[in-house]
Amino acid sequence: DVKVTQSSRYLVKRTGEKVFLECVQDMDHENMFWYRQDPGLGLRLIYFSYDVKMKEKGDIPEGYSVSREKKERFSLILESASTNQTSMYLCASRPDWASNTGELFFGEGSRLTVL
Amino acid sequence: TQLLEQSPQFLSIQEGENLTVYCNSSSVFSSLQWYRQEPGEGPVLLVTVVTGGEVKKLKRLTFQFGDARKDSSLHITAAQPGDTGLYLCAGTPTSGTYKYIFGTGTRLKVLA
Repeated sequence: DVKVTQSSRYLVKRTGEKVFLECVQDMDHENMFWYRQDPGLGLRLIYFSYDVKMKEKGDIPEGYSVSREKKERFSLILESASTNQTSMYLCASRPDWASNTGELFFGEGSRLTVL
Repeated sequence: TQLLEQSPQFLSIQEGENLTVYCNSSSVFSSLQWYRQEPGEGPVLLVTVVTGGEVKKLKRLTFQFGDARKDSSLHITAAQPGDTGLYLCAGTPTSGTYKYIFGTGTRLKVLA
């Protein structure tokens, strides 16, 4: 069974803390995504990685950075968490050959609360 | 910026009723996907439609892509409690980027 695993389901952090959200996929997919999900806003793309060490900014990259040192792992980093980053974070992957009609495989999500 | 508006935002119906969810845009998409997300889970793909006017059926769910590839609908016949969840449409722009455009979501609750 294909799997995208997000390391933390629930996190509570304080303003100014550094936060790491980890995502691992076991499908050998080239492309990986980080989205943020907020009620009434759908999913918004934070960053996209099309291969190891390669990344592209999404629609809302401010306040976030990413790391893709290995093909299976894509990390989202909040250098200094703020309350407006309280949200559900979803990681997804797809194979490169799928182009833009390909299915996105999502993790279960990481719900982050910043106090 | 391409946007996808979904309606209704919320829907609460009795088991056995029919319903339709709409996904509309003023922009053209090369394809459109529908996902369902259950509480505590990530979205799961239900269907991808690619051709204008295309209709796809998945058991009691019927998906249609508009002729102009700007809109889509999801119709559920005889809804069941297991259909409860958040339904998301997602469009892929004709410019061929990696940026899927997600709709605002429709939260469906089917009461037994």
